[in-house]
Amino acid sequence: DAGVTQSPTHLIKTRGQQVTLRCSPKSGHDTVSWYQQALGQGPQFIFQYYEEEERQRGNFPDRFSGHQFPNYSSELNVNALLLGDSALYLCASSPTGSFLGEQYFGPGTRLTVT
Amino acid sequence: AQSVTQLGSHVSVSEGALVLLRCNYSSSVPPYLFWYVQYPNQGLQLLLKYTTGATLVKGINGFEAEFKKSETSFHLTKPSAHMSDAAEYFCAVSENTGNQFYFGTGTSLTVIP
Repeated sequence: DAGVTQSPTHLIKTRGQQVTLRCSPKSGHDTVSWYQQALGQGPQFIFQYYEEEERQRGNFPDRFSGHQFPNYSSELNVNALLLGDSALYLCASSPTGSFLGEQYFGPGTRLTVT
Repeated sequence: AQSVTQLGSHVSVSEGALVLLRCNYSSSVPPYLFWYVQYPNQGLQLLLKYTTGATLVKGINGFEAEFKKSETSFHLTKPSAHMSDAAEYFCAVSENTGNQFYFGTGTSLTVIP
């Protein structure tokens, strides 16, 4: 059983460009959350998707947007990239009714903005 | 609002010594508490969690943590450090809905041979 997978592994973009990151949740999971982890920091919650809708959002600007597909996979889009967007972007999945709050994390996508 | 404070961004212990990583939380509701470990260039792996019930929680790799409500703490311990324990450790708190996690800034553990 594959865990959470993310693509690409690494990405280099230029300021002002747009980027799309992808995540496939663990089998049987239908909820996907995205986190930004800056160097030397803990992960910061961006948003969570469930039933193809954004269910909750952290303190991130509208440049950060997402999508969830019927197969539960998800994309994170970032527009008008800034140098400060350079970070490790983590995707986490959890099953419906996960009131125990358990999430499974993918290996992340390392985004570098130059 | 919820938040997590991890005291000590870097901790060094000798192999075989006690590991103690500190975590204090702030939560307006009964919290769910977690410890995650992150190895270089990898995602986060769940070590252990507290939701309800017994306040002493045992996790993988010999780690355990105790929920102390009066101290708003959830410190992580391991009786005897192993070289393979060297990693970054994150404490996290969540409301009981599990919809959003708040992470601490992490503690980097170094194990000295």
